[in-house]
Order: sequence, then C-alpha cells, then structure tokens
Amino acid sequence: EVQLLESGGGLVEPGGSLRLSCAASGFTFSSSAMNWIRQAPGKGLEWVAASSVRDSTTFYADSVRGRFTISRDNSKNTLYLQMNSLRAEDTALYYCVKGWYGDYGSVYWGQGTLVTVSS
Amino acid sequence: DFVMTQSPLSLSVTPGEPASISCRSSQSLLHRTGNNYLEWYLQKPGQSPQLLIYFASNRASGVPDRFSGSGSGTDFTLKISRMEAEDVGVYYCTQVLQSPPTFGQGTKVEIK
Repeated sequence: EVQLLESGGGLVEPGGSLRLSCAASGFTFSSSAMNWIRQAPGKGLEWVAASSVRDSTTFYADSVRGRFTISRDNSKNTLYLQMNSLRAEDTALYYCVKGWYGDYGSVYWGQGTLVTVSS
Repeated sequence: DFVMTQSPLSLSVTPGEPASISCRSSQSLLHRTGNNYLEWYLQKPGQSPQLLIYFASNRASGVPDRFSGSGSGTDFTLKISRMEAEDVGVYYCTQVLQSPPTFGQGTKVEIK
C-alpha cells in the first residue's frame, strides 16, 4: 500500500523558513516522480514543485521559484521542500504527491501538513 | 500555462440520479501517442484528493464503474451514472501534458 506521510509544517513569521518532509513507503521511491501541491484554506489546488527521475530534473511554480527547493534522499525514501523567505500567501496545506512526469495512472496524495505564515 | 475551466462550479444531485461535470483546456491535451493527458480527482470533505480518471477515460484502480470520463483535445466530461452519498465533495480536472500541472477551479457536488 502506498503511504506518504508529510511533516514539518507549523507557524512561522513572514521572512522565515521551514523544511517539509515526506516519508514514502509501499512503492519504489527512487523510480518515482514526486511533487508538492498546496491548497490555501478554502481554496483550490496549486502545484508547487516536482522532482523528476528521468533526468533528475526539478521544476518550480513561478510563485516559489528562487525561494523553495525540492530535494529527495532515495536512501531514506524521503522527499523534502525547503521553504525560505516565506510570505503570508504561502499559507496552505502542503501535500506530497507521487506521480506525473512520465508516471501516470497511479497518482497518490499524502494527507498534508499545514504551513501558516503569520506574525 | 494551460488554463483549465470547469462548469458548473456547484451541483446538487438527487441520489440515484446522474451527474455531469465539464472541463475545458486552453490548449489541446492530445499527445502524439493518442492519449489525452487529462485527469479527474475527487476531494471528499476533510480528505486529500484521490485519482478517479487518467488519460481522460481510464478509471484508476478501485474506482467504481459509475464514474466515467470522456472527451478529447480541449473538451472533457466526467459523468457519475448514479449519484451516491459517498460521492459528495469537490471534483477537479487536471492537465498533466505539460509542466506545470494545472487544475480547474473545482466543482462542488452535494446531495439534494
């Protein structure tokens, strides 16, 4: 069974940093594209970043490029999102998502971790 | 970026009756392989989204056959043949042809 367990969310002041983690199990993590998707309170879904395995490429939404960094440790089956220079508009539930970028039909979402940016 | 537009944005359905949601993409989602890179998700209240349909018309593992997807190019439809109470939530269409994946605004489906 595919499991994705996010952690690391919390309350942070504007300009601060957080590191999110996603512990994966139930599939071959090193062969899977992984994403971070966020959902602001009461709003829709916004893709944030992706880590592709085809060519070890990373992708970012324009809204976070230069502030957020996606990375992975295949030895620990863990995905990360380093978030710097946080803004109020980054407040959201952040989901870890397996799939896309060549991997279709078996997309799985974690339960999310809440990031609140407020003074 | 591809813009995905759903309609309607809300829907109230009597149990046992059919329901239909439309999704339009600003650009064609048809790949040279013949697949349309369009997915449908259901986000039940308090839960994370779950994949219902991929490549426009393929049901994901474990998805009941009352859910079906159709369409090609820029126009797509999700149909529920007989609405059940467990089908309430917000439905999203998503294009995954090009990065970044983009989502429709969501269609909230309730029981009448």
